[in-house]
Amino acid sequence: GAVVSQHPSRVICKSGTSVKIECRSLDFQATTMFWYRQFPKKSLMLMATSNEGSKATYEQGVEKDKFLINHASLTLSTLTVTSAHPEDSSFYICSARTGDVTGELFFGEGSRLTVL
Amino acid sequence: GQNIDQPTEMTATEGAIVQINCTYQTSGFNGLFWYQQHAGEAPTFLSYNVLDGLEEKGRFSSFLSRSKGYSYLLLKELQMKDSASYLCAPMDSNYQLIWGAGTKLIIKP
Repeated sequence: GAVVSQHPSRVICKSGTSVKIECRSLDFQATTMFWYRQFPKKSLMLMATSNEGSKATYEQGVEKDKFLINHASLTLSTLTVTSAHPEDSSFYICSARTGDVTGELFFGEGSRLTVL
Repeated sequence: GQNIDQPTEMTATEGAIVQINCTYQTSGFNGLFWYQQHAGEAPTFLSYNVLDGLEEKGRFSSFLSRSKGYSYLLLKELQMKDSASYLCAPMDSNYQLIWGAGTKLIIKP
């Protein structure tokens, strides 16, 4: 199957700092990537849809200025958590499809963010 | 509203068979996915059903009844490595996946 790589897998930062998470499609081009957040024992929560060359589409309740998404190329999308606070601590996961909208999603490994 | 209903947790014995049920309500329907998620890891794809019936793939099979808003994942010859959460995710009319909290499956020797 297709490979989506996410980096870093774990990051610990101080409150008030910004953290960037990268999501790369290694063997295919992804015009659309998805960013999720997951709390322990909870479902995946779609944060935003990242579109190559255009602005991301954010889900209701997700702060655009807080979670900056940049999809600069067909193989890279980045999520920057700005001015992080302890409540931003979570598991962040990106995903992408290789084909049409009904195709399977390939997920990155996930990034566990801990804000002290 | 959109809703997914799966058991929170199930326990089964190594070598046995287990069926994980999922009922859903979505705004429109464009198929249903099952994903496996081990603790602390990202989900991995198991199956996709868009038509009624049973899809078999090795030890795993998935069934869909669109009229009943019902699906199940059947796992045969259970192995310890099958201990994970299983996520049922129907796709709505906007091609958005609707995620439930998943079913945590515990396999005992």
